[in-house]
Amino acid sequence: GNSVTQMEGPVTLSEEAFLTINCTYTATGYPSLFWYVQYPGEGLQLLLKATKADDKGSNKGFEATYRKETTSFHLEKGSVQVSDSAVYFCALDMEYGNKLVFGAGTILRVKS
Amino acid sequence: GAVVSQHPSWVICKSGTSVKIECRSLDFQATTMFWYRQFPKQSLMLMATSNEGSKATYEQGVEKDKFLINHASLTLSTLTVTSAHPEDSSFYICSARSARGPRGYTFGSGTRLTVV
Repeated sequence: GNSVTQMEGPVTLSEEAFLTINCTYTATGYPSLFWYVQYPGEGLQLLLKATKADDKGSNKGFEATYRKETTSFHLEKGSVQVSDSAVYFCALDMEYGNKLVFGAGTILRVKS
Repeated sequence: GAVVSQHPSWVICKSGTSVKIECRSLDFQATTMFWYRQFPKQSLMLMATSNEGSKATYEQGVEKDKFLINHASLTLSTLTVTSAHPEDSSFYICSARSARGPRGYTFGSGTRLTVV
């Protein structure tokens, strides 16, 4: 079946550090890939997405590139801020499917 | 942009009572709505998928009679937790997908349910 695997957290970084959160997927076909962010006590917000191989999604300084050859969609940011502290979810959606498939989520803590 | 309103944002109820949570798409028609449950420090667990005008499809292990889902219109879905017990305490999140345009999922802000 389709699945998403994320690196386990929590990830703790100092402000202005470089961030990478790894995400790999297994899918039969060509999924769209997403990163969602969840701030404490809130629902999920779409951070970025990519719909086909080699697409790069970007938003608010975050980037992720859809790598078909490595079935990966790693999230990166060059300089994190305290306000980036949240839970980050990688997810996929199949064109013929009917639901998002989520990874387990990665907690990010940024210290000032 | 697409907005989903979820209400209430938090609720405390007594054991044995029922609680209704509403999920509304404010500026688009949602053919399909999804209900998730999230335990502390864990991922989202899909409970059920509802399509307007038809019965919800529940995921394996989710009690249909306990978690009643109604999707009566293209803009409203409700989740009713019946005869709530403390183990039902959790964070519930809805999501809606538009009937038109690019595939995308918009999430509500979640409901914190505490059963005492």
